[in-house]
Amino acid sequence: EVQLVESGGGFVQPGGSLRLSCAASGFTFATYWVHWVRQAPGKGLLWVSRINTDGSSTTYADSVKGRFTISRDNTKNTLYLQMNSLRAEDTAVYYCAREDYGGSPNAFDIWGQGTMVTVSS
Amino acid sequence: EIVMTQSPATLSVSPGERATLSCRASQSVSSNLAWYQQKPGQAPRLLIYGASTRATGIPARFSGSGSGTEFTLTISSLQSEDFAVYYCQHYNSWPRTFGQGTKVESK
Repeated sequence: EVQLVESGGGFVQPGGSLRLSCAASGFTFATYWVHWVRQAPGKGLLWVSRINTDGSSTTYADSVKGRFTISRDNTKNTLYLQMNSLRAEDTAVYYCAREDYGGSPNAFDIWGQGTMVTVSS
Repeated sequence: EIVMTQSPATLSVSPGERATLSCRASQSVSSNLAWYQQKPGQAPRLLIYGASTRATGIPARFSGSGSGTEFTLTISSLQSEDFAVYYCQHYNSWPRTFGQGTKVESK
């Protein structure tokens, strides 16, 4: 079964750090771009970051640039999001999602179930 | 940044009726437009990509149309399992922005 499973969410104080993981299975992880998308409680979807197949290229939303770092380990079929200097407004469910780039941009066809991050004092 | 605007915010529809959802981009995104369905407590699910191509396993009652800046998602005959929030998203440039969503609720 094609699957993405996030983990690593939790409760953290403002200014703290957290690392999310997204484990892929059922497909050739190394051939897909992967993204992080978040959703604050009761709100819509916000694209956060993306990484290409070999990790050589990354892109970030302005709201997280300089604080979050996306990375991947294709030997472990795992995507990561290192989140530093966390703020209350970073509180959200964080989803990972894959994109079959294949030379041209594409939609996100598989999503994980999400992991909740709560930033509060 | 391309702003995606969806309308209406809420759509009240009876089962069996047709639902028409709109999505407007602040500048052209060509056909690089996707629609997702999200039910409470669940992850989004891809319905439509390339503005009009149904994703794998998506029923034929879902259809998408449009290009450039104006897009439409149509559910031809609403089923009970279709009550959900629907998001459009462009993937033409960075950042890959989403619309604010349209909630389809039972009338």
